[in-house]
Amino acid sequence: DTGVSQDPRHKITKRGQNVTFRCDPISEHNRLYWYRQTLGQGPEFLTYFQNEAQLEKSRLLSDRFSAERPKGSFSTLEIQRTEQGDSAMYLCASSSGGQGNEKLFFGSGTQLSVL
Amino acid sequence: AQTVTQSQPEMSVQEAETVTLSCTYDTSESDYYLFWYKQPPSRQMILVIRQEAYKQQNATENRFSVNFQKAAKSFSLKISDSQLGDAAMYFCACRIQGAQKLVFGQGTRLTINP
Repeated sequence: DTGVSQDPRHKITKRGQNVTFRCDPISEHNRLYWYRQTLGQGPEFLTYFQNEAQLEKSRLLSDRFSAERPKGSFSTLEIQRTEQGDSAMYLCASSSGGQGNEKLFFGSGTQLSVL
Repeated sequence: AQTVTQSQPEMSVQEAETVTLSCTYDTSESDYYLFWYKQPPSRQMILVIRQEAYKQQNATENRFSVNFQKAAKSFSLKISDSQLGDAAMYFCACRIQGAQKLVFGQGTRLTINP
C-alpha cells in the first residue's frame, strides 16, 4: 500500500491556459473521487469513478473541467481555459467500496494557482 | 441537500488535556454516515473516526470518541489526552446511504499548546 499519489504537487499557470492533474489511487481500489478545496473551506465533491466509469458529477464541474480514468487505474483531471476562480487545491481519494461508511484514502493534493 | 456546519473556526488545548470539537448537520435522509477527518500541514486527509446513523452507541477509536445526538443532528468529536501530533484541521463530514459524495464542514483548526 503506497497510498494515493498526486502529481504535480503545485501548479502555477496563467489565466486561459489548460492544466492537467494526475492521480494514482491505491492499486486495488476500484473507486476514485476528485474534490476541490479552497482556502479556509472544506473539500467539495467534484466527481466519482467506479473502475473506468464516471458515475457522478457535481454541478461544480463546469464544461471546462473533464476527468478520465482509462482502464480503471490512474485518473486525470483537466481544466481548460483556466480562470482565477479555479485556484484551489484539488484532492484525489480512493476506496475499495463498501456500504457507505468506507474509509477514503486521500492524496496530498495538487495546489493550483491561476495568475 | 445536506449541510454540515462547524461553528468553531479555531480551538486550542493544552497538551494532555481534553478538547471537544462541534459539528451539526442537516439532512432529510434517515440512513447516513458521519465522519471526522484530520488534515495536517502535509495536506493529506486522514480518517479519524466514523459513525453509522443507525447505531445508537457512540464510536470510539483510542483517544478519539464522538457524541452522536441524532435528534439534535449533532456529532461532536472528543480528543482525550491531547498530543502535539493532534494539531491539524479537523473536518466533519456526512454521506447519505446510496450516495458517493462526502459533504464536509468548513473545518476547525486545532492547536495543541505544550
